[in-house]
Amino acid sequence: ILNVEQSPQSLHVQEGDSTNFTCSFPSSNFYALHWYRWETAKSPEALFVMTLNGDEKKKGRISATLNTKEGYSYLYIKGSQPEDSATYLCAFINRDDKIIFGKGTRLHILP
Amino acid sequence: EAGVAQSPRYKIIEKRQSVAFWCNPISGHATLYWYQQILGQGPKLLIQFQNNGVVDDSQLPKDRFSAERLKGVDSTLKIQPAKLEDSAVYLCASSPLFEVALPTYEQYFGPGTRLTVT
Repeated sequence: ILNVEQSPQSLHVQEGDSTNFTCSFPSSNFYALHWYRWETAKSPEALFVMTLNGDEKKKGRISATLNTKEGYSYLYIKGSQPEDSATYLCAFINRDDKIIFGKGTRLHILP
Repeated sequence: EAGVAQSPRYKIIEKRQSVAFWCNPISGHATLYWYQQILGQGPKLLIQFQNNGVVDDSQLPKDRFSAERLKGVDSTLKIQPAKLEDSAVYLCASSPLFEVALPTYEQYFGPGTRLTVT
């Protein structure tokens, strides 16, 4: 059974603080790892597509790292802003074309 | 470029009734996905189409759920009859054709349909 775990489930962060959360996935048969941001009442939006061990990607204040050997990815947000409040989903894709989403980390930025 | 369109955005029905959702993917996207996202859980893939063929429907409850993608463009997902546990957000997503290069499976999502079964 393929299992993708995200932690924490929920996070409250003071505006201006930095934060990070984790996506754990099977370390075998890896193909790609995606991060999505899902704001309430909007469509999930792709943040990063990561395929290579050691990948580091950055988009503005948000960055992500990937370790396929140990099966985890971190998402970092620097200097949190109110607009960062959302659910952050990771999706693991294996070489059999199976796509498994984690349950998400719900991030709340406190003013 | 227009995004993935879904309708309706919200639907409330009673159990044992039927309901249908519609999705129009981004133009030219060959792959279309339907997901069910129950509150507190991650999106679960129900069915994946490549053009008008089914690639994966292993998690589709076929006794009550059906989906079609006629002409390989838009798609409908039907539930007949609905149960209380079908209350969820139904997300449609599409991906570009990937025969040209290695696929990344990056998906473009619609806004979802929130279904409440009472």
